[in-house]
Amino acid sequence: GIQVEQSPPDLILQEGANSTLRCNFSDSVNNLQWFHQNPWGQLINLFYIPSGTKQNGRLSATTVATERYSLLYISSSQTTDSGVYFCAVERGETSGSRLTFGEGTQLTVNP
Amino acid sequence: EAQVTQNPRYLITVTGKKLTVTCSQNMNHEYMSWYRQDPGLGLRQIYYSMNVEVTDKGDVPEGYKVSRKEKRNFPLILESPSPNQTSLYFCASSLRRYLYEQYFGPGTRLTVT
Repeated sequence: GIQVEQSPPDLILQEGANSTLRCNFSDSVNNLQWFHQNPWGQLINLFYIPSGTKQNGRLSATTVATERYSLLYISSSQTTDSGVYFCAVERGETSGSRLTFGEGTQLTVNP
Repeated sequence: EAQVTQNPRYLITVTGKKLTVTCSQNMNHEYMSWYRQDPGLGLRQIYYSMNVEVTDKGDVPEGYKVSRKEKRNFPLILESPSPNQTSLYFCASSLRRYLYEQYFGPGTRLTVT
């Protein structure tokens, strides 16, 4: 099956810093989503971004499907940004219609 | 508000006592699925449903049952829970089966003793 690798596995920032999270995938995909899992365990949709660039406030994401990677940018980080960020991909019919998740990036933002 | 809801959010139970975790969505989505999340194993799909009365196994279906009698509801049934089913469970839905954004419920934290 498709492999999803996220880096870095852990990231510690001071409030106000910027960061870039990366997601590499091993095969072509037709769906890619970024999620934030907050400390209470909830999965929050950040972006649905199979290709191109999107922005939502301090967060933005870029997917270069032809090169099989996606980037999540967090600017002016806040303590509430802490948690685990997951990238998840879907290939389409051959994948049996499941999202394959990466192992996540654990982000800690200190005040 | 468009959302996926799950109940209960937290549950502690004993081995062998049947339980049901409910999942409901108000977005008229055709596709629904269940995932479990375990440390070191990530999120894995348990079952999915493409539409009413159509369900199929995911990656880890053993010990679970599902039903889809109505479009909005997709309950997860553990007939005889065991400690290895202690996990964080998520229900998800999307408009169609393939290539649509999936929305996740808030999660159900289950402990089986």
